[in-house]
Parts: sequence; C-alpha cells; structure tokens
Amino acid sequence: DTGVSQNPRHKITKRGQNVTFRCDPISEHNRLYWYRQTLGQGPEFLTYFQNEAQLEKSRLLSDRFSAERPKGSFSTLEIQRTEQGDSAMYLCASSFDPSIYFGEGSWLTVV
Amino acid sequence: AQSVTQPDIHITVSEGASLELRCNYSYGATPYLFWYVQSPGQGLQLLLKYFSGDTLVQGIKGFEAEFKRSQSSFNLRKPSVHWSDAAEYFCAVGGSSNTGKLIFGQGTTLQVKP
Repeated sequence: DTGVSQNPRHKITKRGQNVTFRCDPISEHNRLYWYRQTLGQGPEFLTYFQNEAQLEKSRLLSDRFSAERPKGSFSTLEIQRTEQGDSAMYLCASSFDPSIYFGEGSWLTVV
Repeated sequence: AQSVTQPDIHITVSEGASLELRCNYSYGATPYLFWYVQSPGQGLQLLLKYFSGDTLVQGIKGFEAEFKRSQSSFNLRKPSVHWSDAAEYFCAVGGSSNTGKLIFGQGTTLQVKP
C-alpha cells in the first residue's frame, strides 16, 4: 500500500522562476488537497479537487498559483514568478472517506 | 470564526511519564477532529480521528483522545511516553461537508527527556 507521493522533495529556485510540484495520491482516493506550511505554523488549506474538478480555492492561492488534476489522478501545483514569501513546505493530501492522509511534502526555498 | 487553539507551544516530559496535549476548537457545525504527528522535515501522520459515536477514540502508537463537546476540546493523551514520541503534534478540525478542508492549530512540540 503506497501512500501519498510528492516530488520533488526539495526545490531551491531563484526569485522570479517558475516551479512545479507533483502529487500522486493514494490510488482510488477521489479527493485531493494542497496545503502550505511555513516554519512554526500549522498547515493552511490552499485548494481541493474532487476527481478532476477543482472545487475550492483559498484566498492564499494568488494568481501566481495554479493547480491541476488531469483525469482525476495525479495533481500538479505550479507557482509562477516565485517570491521569497513563497518559501514553505507544500503538502498534498488525499482522502476517500473522512480520513485525510498527507504526503511527505515538498520544500520550496526561494533565494 | 473557525479556529483551533493548542495552548501549549512546547512541552517537555520524561520518558515513561504520562502526556496530555490540549486542543480547543471553535467550529460552527458538527466537527470532525484529528490529531497528526510530524517529525522534523517530514509530512503529517494521522494519529487518530473523531467523527461520531464514542467520545474516547483510540489511535496508533498508544495514543487516545477524548472529545468533550461542552468544553469544545479534543485532548490527546498517552499513558507512557517513549523517546520516539518526540515530534510536533497538530490538532485539526473539519466538517462533514468537506472533511479534507482542515483548520490546524499551531502545533505543540513535544520533547522527551531520558
């Protein structure tokens, strides 16, 4: 039984560059979530998919952020024109029943 | 406003001692409650959850939590702490309409003394 998989685990990028993170949920989980976590804080909800439909986006998800889940399988989170304030861990989670399972996260450092 | 408060930012206990981590929530609808544990640089592992029914729930690694609606609390307990329990613990609340949209507390860092 594989868990939620995220790639890359770590990314260092220069300010202004674009980055993309990938999430592979637990198979058969129809719901997929993205969260962001900064140092010393709890995770914050960013967006949510049910199958391929993006049903909700947080105000935290600025226009520079876009998430997709083609065919209701894996998902990508792209950040365009990165800023230093984007430095954080980006967590993906998936669920089928009310239990939500998180991946190991993708660390982003913007220099 | 919906929120989760973990009053203790940092707790230190001796190995073998009992543990209680506090969690208070504010949520307008029937809450679904969760406790997660996070080791440094890692993702979150689900310890236990409460949806309905018995207010005392058992989780993995010997943890349990008790839901008290009158106090809006969902405290996590463990009778005897092991050194490997040292980590960050997060309480979270969600609702039945979208159970994955969780509101997290700021976390409690647990340090275990030998």
